[in-house]
Amino acid sequence: DQQVKQNSPSLSVQEGRISILNCDYTNSMFDYFLWYKKYPAEGPTFLISISSIKDKNEDGRFTVFLNKSAKHLSLHIVPSQPGDSAVYFCAAISSGTYKYIFGTGTRLKVLA
Amino acid sequence: DTAVSQTPKYLVTQMGNDKSIKCEQNLGHDTMYWYKQDSKKFLKIMFSYNNKELIINETVPNRFSPKSPDKAHLNLHINSLELGDSAVYFCASSQERGGRETQYFGPGTRLLVL
Repeated sequence: DQQVKQNSPSLSVQEGRISILNCDYTNSMFDYFLWYKKYPAEGPTFLISISSIKDKNEDGRFTVFLNKSAKHLSLHIVPSQPGDSAVYFCAAISSGTYKYIFGTGTRLKVLA
Repeated sequence: DTAVSQTPKYLVTQMGNDKSIKCEQNLGHDTMYWYKQDSKKFLKIMFSYNNKELIINETVPNRFSPKSPDKAHLNLHINSLELGDSAVYFCASSQERGGRETQYFGPGTRLLVL
C-alpha cells in the first residue's frame, strides 16, 4: 500500500518555463511534507518543506503548495533551468513516527 | 568534505554470502537511518538509530542486522544474501529523531546479488 504517490514518472519542460511536480497522499495523519532532489549516483538532497498548517511555502525559484482537503501537494519551479534536471521525491511524515514515507519519484528533464 | 559517506559504493556478490555496508556521518547528528530503494524506485526505511539506540525497525528479514558502534556510524550487515536483496541502499542522518528534520543522505551502495 503506497501511501504517497507521484503518478507522473517523468516530465519534460522547456528552459525558462514552469515545472509542476505533483504528489498525492492517502494518510490524513501526515502533517509535514518535504521535497527531495536526486541526481544520478547521488543520494537525495533536501529541497523544501511545508507544514500542514500552511498551504504554501516559497524558497527562491521553488514553491510548494499543499491542499489538505485534496491530500495533494505540488512543487513549482520557475523559471526552470537545465541544472534542475533530476529525480524529485516527495516525502510525508506524521509527527512522532520518526520516519519518512517517500513517493516513487518524478524524473524532470529541463530542455535547453 | 563528505557529510554522509558509505562504503562500498558498488557491491557484487553471490547468493548465500554475508556482506556489510558501512556508513559514517561527520555532521554530529544523533539519528541515522538505512533506506532501501528497490527496482521499482520505492525508497523505504529499514532502520533508524538514535544515539546508538534502535528506534525504527521496519518489517525486514532478520538476515539484515544494523550495528551502531557509536552515533557517527551505522553499519548494515546482511547474512545469506538473496537475489531480491539487489537494490540501492542509502544511509541518512538527521539532527534529532523528531521526524521533521531534514535528512542528509549518503551517495548509496549499489548491491547486486548474482
